[in-house]
Order: sequence, then C-alpha cells, then structure tokens
Amino acid sequence: IAGITQAPTSQILAAGRRMTLRCTQDMRHNAMYWYRQDLGLGLRLIHYSNTAGTTGKGEVPDGYSVSRANTDDFPLTLASAVPSQTSVYFCASSLEVNNEQFFGPGTRLTVL
Amino acid sequence: AQKVTQAQTEISVVEKEDVTLDCVYETRDTTYYLFWYKQPPSGELVFLIRRNSFDEQNEISGRYSWNFQKSTSSFNFTITASQVVDSAVYFCALSDLANQAGTALIFGKGTTLSVSS
Repeated sequence: IAGITQAPTSQILAAGRRMTLRCTQDMRHNAMYWYRQDLGLGLRLIHYSNTAGTTGKGEVPDGYSVSRANTDDFPLTLASAVPSQTSVYFCASSLEVNNEQFFGPGTRLTVL
Repeated sequence: AQKVTQAQTEISVVEKEDVTLDCVYETRDTTYYLFWYKQPPSGELVFLIRRNSFDEQNEISGRYSWNFQKSTSSFNFTITASQVVDSAVYFCALSDLANQAGTALIFGKGTTLSVSS
C-alpha cells in the first residue's frame, strides 16, 4: 500500500441496505477524515478522527458512523442507506494538526 | 462562523492566458491555515499549497503563484501561461484552531477552470 486507499471504487446499493466504505493509510498519520462531494456543494466533512481511539462529528454526520480502532483504518458505515447519500466519498489523512491532508481516490456510491 | 467563498463558479480561458482564481475566507481565529487543492477530471484531489496566517509572503511555484492578503481575507491563486492540463476544479480550503471539527478543512465550492487550445 502506498498512501491512502479506499474500497470499493464504486458501488450501487439498494435503499435500506447497510454499507461500509473502507479507508486505509500507511503513512502513520494521526488524523483521518471522511468527506462527501456533491455537485455544487463542494466537499463537506462527515466525520473525523484526530487520533486513534477518538472520533467526532463533522458538518453532515446524520446517517453515518465511523470507528478508529487503530491508526491505519477509518471505516465509514451507512447503517440504512437512503438515496440522498448518493455521492462521491473521499477519505483523507494528515500527519498532525493543520498539516496538509492527503486524499484517497474516492468511492462513488449510488443508492437506489 | 468559518466560511470559504469561491465566487467564480466557472472560468474559461485559452491556452497561454493568465488566470486568477479568487478565494475569500471568514474566520474568527487569529491562527489558521489556508490551502489550495486541484481536482482534475480523473477525480483525485491533489494538494497544491498550505499557508499559515502569520506568513503573508506571496509564493511562486513554477507557473503557479499565490497572493495572501489578510487585510481583505483573500488567498488568490494565479496560473501564468495556462495549459490544457490545468483544466480542473480548484478548491480553496480553511483550517483553524477554533474549528469545531478539529483539524478538518472547510472547503469552498470550487472553481471549474477550462483551458482550451
């Protein structure tokens, strides 16, 4: 692994289904983030984790949950997907507070 | 409240023209960081620059330059002699210690730059 990876690359999901988006980084960054990108709205923060074992809510957390059991992994779970969660999801990480964030390649999720 | 405004939704230029992308920010903190990211058609987000609030020196990197002015709360990005490969969506972002979400970035809505040959 080099940098930050996300899986799956894309997914079509039926409404009501549970889905976990995976994010892994090998840079030993302390902080990790989940954003969603929607046309005309830019990127909006869903959840964040400043260090392993801690998480916090961002601007648009409803319907999503995260965990940070270790430094490398930061999965995002949609407990019961709804069509409004159709979006491109980006995971990011940064070494320390206010350092530049490095982004994964994104996951394109469609909820029907 | 923290906010980033990129008033230019779309800009179209012809190759070799210079182009400036505007970014205006709002924050109540005195210590903060500003960023620019590029998102080419392939979709990935590429980090371009980070600038802290205590450093108002302009920066130049090849054809790219950035003008940071605290007096007008602006952090503008200029591409000199634009090229087709510069076509992308450009995002300005803000991070400050008063941000409720810790170190997360607040993004502007982006400016889509199209450079034609």
